[in-house]
Amino acid sequence: GAVVSQHPSWVICKSGTSVKIECRSLDFQATTMFWYRQFPKQSLMLMATSNEGSKATYEQGVEKDKFLINHASLTLSTLTVTSAHPEDSSFYICSADRTGTETQYFGPGTRLLVL
Amino acid sequence: AQSVTQLDSHVSVSEGTPVLLRCNYSSSYSPSLFWYVQHPNKGLQLLLKYTSAATLVKGINGFEAEFKKSETSFHLTKPSAHMSDAAEYFCVVSDIIGNDMRFGAGTRLTVKP
Repeated sequence: GAVVSQHPSWVICKSGTSVKIECRSLDFQATTMFWYRQFPKQSLMLMATSNEGSKATYEQGVEKDKFLINHASLTLSTLTVTSAHPEDSSFYICSADRTGTETQYFGPGTRLLVL
Repeated sequence: AQSVTQLDSHVSVSEGTPVLLRCNYSSSYSPSLFWYVQHPNKGLQLLLKYTSAATLVKGINGFEAEFKKSETSFHLTKPSAHMSDAAEYFCVVSDIIGNDMRFGAGTRLTVKP
């Protein structure tokens, strides 16, 4: 149990385009999901906390208009990187908070490369 | 505010020898503590977690960690390293309900044959 999936697993896009990444909790409901960014050989940086049915809470320094988050259901959160630029190239990982376990379960990550 | 410090960026051991990955935390309230493992180009897998129950926590793959409040430490250990243990390990602190997670910088474990 407690499986989280991400789609796509990797994406290459041109500069200026928008990319949507999906995060799904497959066998449990998640009121809260989180989006992280990981640069090569570095730790994870929390970008935002996504709550079902409400606006996401962004960490300081993260542009909310750049990284749009939607948490439309208890099993799905999406991250849209708008007008992507090469500096947005990174490994994006989501996690879902399994209610009652006080534990986050992580997706496999999405590698984004912006040319 | 809370944070974690992983004291070693890289640890190298021989197969069959013990593993020790060190983590110190700082928290203004009773924390939950986690160890996650990340294999190359993969997501994170939960190894174990401490949430104010037993101070010695046993996880998957033979790993365990001991919560020591007096030392503000949560070191990860394994009696005998296996080649498949080679990965990046992250120590993580959160509040008691699992929110506000803060990651350590990571420790890369190398296992030599």
